[in-house]
Amino acid sequence: GQQLNQSPQSMFIQEGEDVSMNCTSSSIFNTWLWYKQDPGEGPVLLIALYKAGELTSNGRLTAQFGITRKDSFLNISASIPSDVGIYFCAGQVLIQGAQKLVFGQGTRLTINP
Amino acid sequence: NAGVTQTPKFRILKIGQSMTLQCTQDMNHNYMYWYRQDPGMGLKLIYYSVGAGITDKGEVPNGYNVSRSTTEDFPLRLELAAPSQTSVYFCASRTRVGGYTFGSGTRLTVV
Repeated sequence: GQQLNQSPQSMFIQEGEDVSMNCTSSSIFNTWLWYKQDPGEGPVLLIALYKAGELTSNGRLTAQFGITRKDSFLNISASIPSDVGIYFCAGQVLIQGAQKLVFGQGTRLTINP
Repeated sequence: NAGVTQTPKFRILKIGQSMTLQCTQDMNHNYMYWYRQDPGMGLKLIYYSVGAGITDKGEVPNGYNVSRSTTEDFPLRLELAAPSQTSVYFCASRTRVGGYTFGSGTRLTVV
């Protein structure tokens, strides 16, 4: 089945630094989504990408849908303490007539003040 | 709007017991999903439903059952709980073209 490889698995940075994480797959996806999960909560959507090559920003977050439709990256600029959490990429694909999400393993972001 | 509501938030089960995880959404979404999240991993799809009366298996359906008698409710049933089912369970819903809304999860421990 479809699999997403998300890297890095964890990041330890200083407040104010920029962050970059990415997801790759051998499969093609028709939508890429980036989620953030805080402890004890469900994932919350940050950015959705619907077209190959699309570059979308949401405040300090920027994400791109790879041209090959097999990868995506998320950048966070000027990190702040509330950025701490686990970030997941997810690719949406049509399987057996229904849209389904396939998740990466997550990137755990820790920020030192 | 409450969004997606999951109950209970926490539960400890003994091996062989059964339970139902409840999921309700008030957004009139047709599509609903159950995922499990193991420590340090992403979410894996257990079952999904594209509308009332229609359900189908996801990636990891063994040991679970679902029903969808109404648009709002999508309960997940565990029969004969096993330690391998210790996980955090998330329910999600969406419209046909919209983004996914997740519940806050049910943390289940089987001992």
